[in-house]
Amino acid sequence: EDKVVQSPLSLVVHEGDTVTLNCSYEVTNFRSLLWYKQEKKAPTFLFMLTSSGIEKKSGRLSSILDKKELFSILNITATQTGDSAVYLCAVEVNTNAGKSTFGDGTTLTVKP
Amino acid sequence: EAGVAQSPRYKIIEKRQSVAFWCNPISGHATLYWYQQILGQGPKLLIQFQNNGVVDDSQLPKDRFSAERLKGVDSTLKIQPAKLEDSAVYLCASSPGVLETQYFGPGTRLLVL
Repeated sequence: EDKVVQSPLSLVVHEGDTVTLNCSYEVTNFRSLLWYKQEKKAPTFLFMLTSSGIEKKSGRLSSILDKKELFSILNITATQTGDSAVYLCAVEVNTNAGKSTFGDGTTLTVKP
Repeated sequence: EAGVAQSPRYKIIEKRQSVAFWCNPISGHATLYWYQQILGQGPKLLIQFQNNGVVDDSQLPKDRFSAERLKGVDSTLKIQPAKLEDSAVYLCASSPGVLETQYFGPGTRLLVL
């Protein structure tokens, strides 16, 4: 059974801090790893990673994948209160359906 | 561009009752997904459609859950009869095709009493 584990489960920081969120996986026929931000209800897409060692960056957020050690990290620098959310990691497999398996998320709270 | 629409946004029912959720995906998106997200957990895929055909329903509890996408556009998910453990947010997502970026709707929060 495909498995995605995120850590920590929750994190509380102050504005300006840098955070690192972790995602490890065990899947058959890996295709890609995705990060989402979930505020209130709907997850919104952040990054898709398919190759090891290539950093994806968007503003203060960045992410990298290690396909040998089967994990990814999401970094957020100079955190702001608007970064408070649940961050979800999902892994897609290379089948006809391209099924996604999600982790349980990391709840990030950024205090002023 | 309009996003994924879902209704209702909230629903409270008693156990053993029936409930239905509706999803209208982004125009032109061939792939539609229904996820169940229990509080404190990540979304779990229930069923995936490609146009009006089912691609994956391996995690759908078929004794009580059903879904259809008859014309390959909007979709309904039904629970009959509901159990307490069905309390969750039901998320619909769509993508242009399989293995493309998924766009999520706002979800329907179901509470079964």
